[in-house]
Amino acid sequence: NAGVTQTPKFRVLKTGQSMTLLCAQDMNHEYMYWYRQDPGMGLRLIHYSVGEGTTAKGEVPDGYNVSRLKKQNFLLGLESAAPSQTSVYFCASSLDTGENQPQHFGDGTRLSIL
Amino acid sequence: GNSVTQMEGPVTLSEEAFLTINCTYTATGYPSLFWYVQYPGEGLQLLLKATKADDKGSNKGFEATYRKETTSFHLEKGSVQVSDSAVYFCALRDTGRRALTFGSGTRLQVQP
Repeated sequence: NAGVTQTPKFRVLKTGQSMTLLCAQDMNHEYMYWYRQDPGMGLRLIHYSVGEGTTAKGEVPDGYNVSRLKKQNFLLGLESAAPSQTSVYFCASSLDTGENQPQHFGDGTRLSIL
Repeated sequence: GNSVTQMEGPVTLSEEAFLTINCTYTATGYPSLFWYVQYPGEGLQLLLKATKADDKGSNKGFEATYRKETTSFHLEKGSVQVSDSAVYFCALRDTGRRALTFGSGTRLQVQP
């Protein structure tokens, strides 16, 4: 059971470089989310999507862009990486936002910006 | 706005000890409440949930009761095991909101 798969698992970038994090889910979920996890701050929502072709800003969207061209994939882009974006990034998905529909998380991407 | 406050860790216990991890929240609506667990190197997994006041969520020996009067959702387990060592996150989803609001997490270390 694959569930939510994130690629890559680790990456080191230099300031100013760009990259894309890929999230893929095989559960036919409508909703997908990108969070970042920083020490002492829990998880904070970056962007989310309520369906193919749609995206919306979360709590901390600045410096990131996202795309949902296919229902199963949700891409997170950093156009010009900054040291403040050093974090662990988690993707999640859910069938909908009903009270009985939990979010399923990937294993995370650890990103370091030098 | 919404917020979740958890007790700071790490919490270090001996095997078979009783566990309590405190969680309190503020919300504008009538939130659903969750506990997620994160084992080393893995993503978050839903541990238990409660969707209305006085509901009790339970799973794998863990329990938490939704207390509206004290805006709390404390996690308890009667006898912890070494395999319970992980980071525990309390979270809420407010009425009409799509995403979760997480607490900062509490690391639990259980020693044999």
